[in-house]
Amino acid sequence: GAVVSQHPSRVICKSGTSVKIECRSLDFQATTMFWYRQFPKQSLMLMATSNEGSKATYEQGVEKDKFLINHASLTLSTLTVTSAHPEDSSFYICSARAPSGGVDTQYFGPGTRLTVL
Amino acid sequence: EDQVTQSPEALRLQEGESSSLNCSYTVSGLRGLFWYRQDPGKGPEFLFTLYSAGEEKEKERLKATLTKKESFLHITAPKPEDSATYLCAVQARGNQFYFGTGTSLTVIP
Repeated sequence: GAVVSQHPSRVICKSGTSVKIECRSLDFQATTMFWYRQFPKQSLMLMATSNEGSKATYEQGVEKDKFLINHASLTLSTLTVTSAHPEDSSFYICSARAPSGGVDTQYFGPGTRLTVL
Repeated sequence: EDQVTQSPEALRLQEGESSSLNCSYTVSGLRGLFWYRQDPGKGPEFLFTLYSAGEEKEKERLKATLTKKESFLHITAPKPEDSATYLCAVQARGNQFYFGTGTSLTVIP
């Protein structure tokens, strides 16, 4: 149980284009999903918290107009990197929060490797 | 200030050489402490949730323990396939999550 998928797993795009990444909770409903960015050999950096049916909450320093988040259903959140540039190249990981035993466990997707040329 | 600190940053073990990874935390009201395993190029894989001091959980060669200030992930007789980065995270009273920077474990055959 508690499987989270991400699509695509890898994407290469030209500078200036937009890229959409999907995050799905496959066997549970997630009112809250999280989007992280990870640079090589570094830990997870929280970008935003996505709540179903409402606006996402962005961490300080993350441009909401550049990283558009939509959480349209209890099993799907999308991250769109708009007008991508080489500095946006990174590993993007989503997670979905599932309540269990009084606490909320985050289950992570497999990640999406974005390369902007 | 709420924070999570993991040590060591990196650990190299010979196959079969048992050791422990540490996760120290200071948060406002611990709701849960989580251990994850992350392989290169993949998302973190959930291992354990610990809720209260004194609790222990085991899975194969891994055993996680929790006190009021820290958690240990004990690895007994590790194998090369245990090589990965191990992440610790805590959920505080206000539902915020805090992640450590991880311990990179390498097990040498």
